[in-house]
Amino acid sequence: DAGVIQSPRHEVTEMGQEVTLRCKPISGHNSLFWYRQTMMRGLELLIYFNNNVPIDDSGMPEDRFSAKMPNASFSTLKIQPSEPRDSAVYFCASSSRPGTSRDPNTEAFFGQGTRLTVV
Amino acid sequence: AQKVTQAQTEISVVEKEDVTLDCVYETRDTTYYLFWYKQPPSGELVFLIRRNSFDEQNEISGRYSWNFQKSTSSFNFTITASQVVDSAVYFCALSENWSNQGGKLIFGQGTELSVKP
Repeated sequence: DAGVIQSPRHEVTEMGQEVTLRCKPISGHNSLFWYRQTMMRGLELLIYFNNNVPIDDSGMPEDRFSAKMPNASFSTLKIQPSEPRDSAVYFCASSSRPGTSRDPNTEAFFGQGTRLTVV
Repeated sequence: AQKVTQAQTEISVVEKEDVTLDCVYETRDTTYYLFWYKQPPSGELVFLIRRNSFDEQNEISGRYSWNFQKSTSSFNFTITASQVVDSAVYFCALSENWSNQGGKLIFGQGTELSVKP
């Protein structure tokens, strides 16, 4: 399996520009997560989807951030307009739900991350 | 509320020393899951272990071992005979009520381990 695939790996953009980050989860996984990592805040969950439906977006910083999952094999995280404080590493992760009621999900596997720099 | 605390920000050891990374968690759920992830200098997050709250059995995998104690809400990670390749940031994470919350993880702040030759 190719694992979780994120693109681009690095993105440098000017303040005010739109940024779109992409994620392809592991085939067969039905939960997808977007995390952000910064020195100040560590790893924080932005949003997650279950069966392509957004379940919890309470971690999305503000309206400038939006995420979509049009199908089981693709998700995007968009920032519009971008600001310097959005600079961070953005991770996508996926997990599956094959198990029993006592053990309903597997662990989450992470992509390599997208390092975003907004100047 | 759920919370994960890794009190050790940085640890430095010399190769072949044993080292223990501490993790303390808070949760009101009776069913929860604990994890350790490794983030090497290359930046990716690598899954190491998952432990369910109803299974307090400790686990050993090669030089790695994990000690889960519900009585103290701790899930500590020990590396025996550390090696330079173990140098990384290690994250402990908690997931509650998986049936409803789909496996979202709450991470600790991480412990940066430096193993010197």
